[in-house]
Amino acid sequence: AQSVTQLGSHVSVSEGALVLLRCNYSSSVPPYLFWYVQYPNQGLQLLLKYTSAATLVKGINGFEAEFKKSETSFHLTKPSAHMSDAAEYFCAVSDGSGGFKTIFGAGTRLFVKA
Amino acid sequence: GAGVSQTPSNKVTEKGKYVELRCDPISGHTALYWYRQSLGQGPEFLIYFQGTGAADDSGLPNDRFFAVRPEGSVSTLKIQRTERGDSAVYLCASSFGSGIRGAGELFFGEGSRLTVL
Repeated sequence: AQSVTQLGSHVSVSEGALVLLRCNYSSSVPPYLFWYVQYPNQGLQLLLKYTSAATLVKGINGFEAEFKKSETSFHLTKPSAHMSDAAEYFCAVSDGSGGFKTIFGAGTRLFVKA
Repeated sequence: GAGVSQTPSNKVTEKGKYVELRCDPISGHTALYWYRQSLGQGPEFLIYFQGTGAADDSGLPNDRFFAVRPEGSVSTLKIQRTERGDSAVYLCASSFGSGIRGAGELFFGEGSRLTVL
């Protein structure tokens, strides 16, 4: 069975500082991994995805994530936070076949201070 | 093109009543998913369809919950004898399904907020 653990339900950074949101996964087969973002009063949208190609994945809005199999991690980073990055971020895993059920983590709310 | 559409956006009902929530996926998407999201939590998987059939319904909490997708497009989530604990936002998502195309990316609707009094 797959699962996702997001460390830290809330993360607060200053504008311009590094953003690091942590995600660890568990999967019995090579996984597909995703980060989704939910802005206030909006639906979830895909930020980036890992599908067994390059281990460093670049997404929208300057975010990137690195797949580390040895650490079963898929942490999300952005070098410099903007106020507009304030949102809830969800890490998710599917079993690598695409179209199979996707399991989400509990989410990390990112606060950006001016 | 149009995104995933969910109706109603808000539903208030009384305990014990029957509720239907509708999802209209993106045209051409073969896979359709239902999730439930409670306040402060991540989306909780309920069920997903490949075409008309439920490929995995392991997330349905009990037999009061049922979902159908009779023609492989629109889906309805049905909740019988609603309880206060069913209050949540019910999210629908669709995708291209298995294979390289889309690689499992889900496109979400804005959800149906259910409140059971």
